[in-house]
Amino acid sequence: NAGVTQTPKFQVLKTGQSMTLQCAQDMNHEYMSWYRQDPGMGLRLIHYSVGAGITDQGEVPNGYNVSRSTTEDFPLRLLSAAPSQTSVYFCASSYEGAHGANVLTFGAGSRLTVL
Amino acid sequence: SQQGEEDPQALSIQEGENATMNCSYKTSINNLQWYRQNSGRGLVHLILIRSNEREKHSGRLRVTLDTSKKSSSLLITASRAADTASYFCATDAVGANSKLTFGKGITLSVRP
Repeated sequence: NAGVTQTPKFQVLKTGQSMTLQCAQDMNHEYMSWYRQDPGMGLRLIHYSVGAGITDQGEVPNGYNVSRSTTEDFPLRLLSAAPSQTSVYFCASSYEGAHGANVLTFGAGSRLTVL
Repeated sequence: SQQGEEDPQALSIQEGENATMNCSYKTSINNLQWYRQNSGRGLVHLILIRSNEREKHSGRLRVTLDTSKKSSSLLITASRAADTASYFCATDAVGANSKLTFGKGITLSVRP
């Protein structure tokens, strides 16, 4: 079981460039989400999805797009990268069956630097 | 805005001592969870406590919840150097559609 796989692990972009952070899970989890982690700020929710074809905004959605065409994949797109998007990005998935609550399994993270 | 706020921000103890970390939150919750993050890694779920529970144990972990004070504490007993990590509380707020909101985290250092 691979769990939650994020690619790439590291990426350097120039301001204005676009890119997609990939996230895939092999646990058949319905719920998937993207967080960003910045020093002193903890984790902040960007976008989330409760199932294929359904996405919604989190706390800091501006500058990011997501789609959920399959249960397994939840890519995060940066349309025009800005230095303020320099961060570590985490993808997470869950289902409520095991705990009767939303317990997250995280990927290893993607460190993005925007110059 | 952060729902959960951990306290202290940083904690340094000797191996074998107990570590106590606190979390306060603002609104009604369905459950509260604690996660650990080792340096450069993703977060790992440790323990969950529901709003109708007051205390739970898992190995060397003990978590308490006081809904009247909107606070929780995580106790790690007999700490080990391997417990060195950042610890986050996360709340599943009522009406939040199962979204988890994380605090800023506590950095725990356990000295050998």
